[in-house]
Amino acid sequence: AQSVTQLDSQVPVFEEAPVELRCNYSSSVSVYLFWYVQYPNQGLQLLLKYLSGSTLVKGINGFEAEFNKSQTSFHLRKPSVHISDTAEYFCAVSDSVDSSYKLIFGSGTRLLVRP
Amino acid sequence: DTGVSQNPRHKITKRGQNVTFRCDPISEHNRLYWYRQTLGQGPEFLTYFQNEAQLEKSRLLSDRFSAERPKGSFSTLEIQRTEQGDSAMYLCASSLARRLAAFVKETQYFGPGTRLLVL
Repeated sequence: AQSVTQLDSQVPVFEEAPVELRCNYSSSVSVYLFWYVQYPNQGLQLLLKYLSGSTLVKGINGFEAEFNKSQTSFHLRKPSVHISDTAEYFCAVSDSVDSSYKLIFGSGTRLLVRP
Repeated sequence: DTGVSQNPRHKITKRGQNVTFRCDPISEHNRLYWYRQTLGQGPEFLTYFQNEAQLEKSRLLSDRFSAERPKGSFSTLEIQRTEQGDSAMYLCASSLARRLAAFVKETQYFGPGTRLLVL
């Protein structure tokens, strides 16, 4: 069964500093990968997704992620964070051979941006 | 595109009562998903519909849970005889699945969720 591991439950960082949120998945089959952001009392918003092609994926709000098949990782990065980036970030995987396309989520990483 | 809406946004109930949540997907979307999110965890898949057909149910969906999408538009999720362990955020998502471009439009768009508290 698919699983997603987000190693850091919370990442504190100062404003304008770079940040990396780590995500590893366990799968021997082809997968699609996603990062979602959740602001307090809101649903999930898609930041970016990897389906195929270039392993470096750019998303909204200046975020990007790199797919590394050999390390089964999909880490999220931003070169300079803002206070408004404070939120919960979820990595998710979808099995490409599963026609449901259901998402399997990690437990989330809380990004806390300090002034 | 008005987005996915869910009602109510919050629900407090007593153990043993029945509750029903509603999800209105994006209008042209043929797929609708239900997820459950407990405190400090990521969402977990419960079930999904393609049009009005319920195609898959997670083992998390006990026999106290039932979901419907009668006309292939809105969906309801009912929990009978609620238990304290049912307390969670219930999220709905919708997507447009097309056979020829199967995944291009498959992004799931989430609603704001219904937060359930069972006392």
